[in-house]
Amino acid sequence: DIQMTQSPSSLSASVGDRVTITCQASQDISNYLNWYQQKPGKAPKLLIYDASNLETGVPSRFSGSGSGTDFTFTISSLQPEDIATYYCQQYDNLPRVTFGGGTKVEIK
Amino acid sequence: QVQLQQSGPGLVKPSQTLSLTCAISGDSVSSNSAAWNWIRQSPSRGLEWLGRTYYRSKWYNDYAVSVKSRITINPDTSKNQFSLQLNSVTPEDTAVYYCARGFRLTYYYGSGSYRAYAFDIWGQGTMVTVSS
Repeated sequence: DIQMTQSPSSLSASVGDRVTITCQASQDISNYLNWYQQKPGKAPKLLIYDASNLETGVPSRFSGSGSGTDFTFTISSLQPEDIATYYCQQYDNLPRVTFGGGTKVEIK
Repeated sequence: QVQLQQSGPGLVKPSQTLSLTCAISGDSVSSNSAAWNWIRQSPSRGLEWLGRTYYRSKWYNDYAVSVKSRITINPDTSKNQFSLQLNSVTPEDTAVYYCARGFRLTYYYGSGSYRAYAFDIWGQGTMVTVSS
């Protein structure tokens, strides 16, 4: 299976800060990379697909970039409602998708 | 809009069978553009894809290697739902289980069109504990 490594595993930032999370794949996955947001007690929610495409209804402060093995997820201005854990997920070798270990975002 | 509603017991004894159902509204289990998945989440294993069922002129199933000998996912067209059965469970199978729709999302970039694949709709999750 393709391994997905996220960093950091957790971070603390102030409201309005720019937040960046990275995700590294164990092999080239082109741009077959999605990002999800999970709030406590809830299911994951799709935010970004194919590395940089914003899902309908998702605020534009969220963005993604990258291709190959290295990807970045950014919140341009952290809001209190963005407190959650964020996961990357690859689908290069469908159906055997794999997820990163998650990044927990907290407010400082 | 599409919704998934999960049901099933939250406690299963070791060596027995875990059974969950996911009822679909707003889409069809027989859709030619969706796949119906089970994913679980635990502190030790994180988010783990377990398997899927989908219809493309006939029914197909795919399963994760880690559970392939113990898992069955079945569609039920009469009730527009799909189910998960996991046999011979152990405490390591304790997790939150989710059903999710795998969907091809079409987008346009430059002069081309592309079809991403993502889990765009999720059930509410079921905490399943394996314990005697």
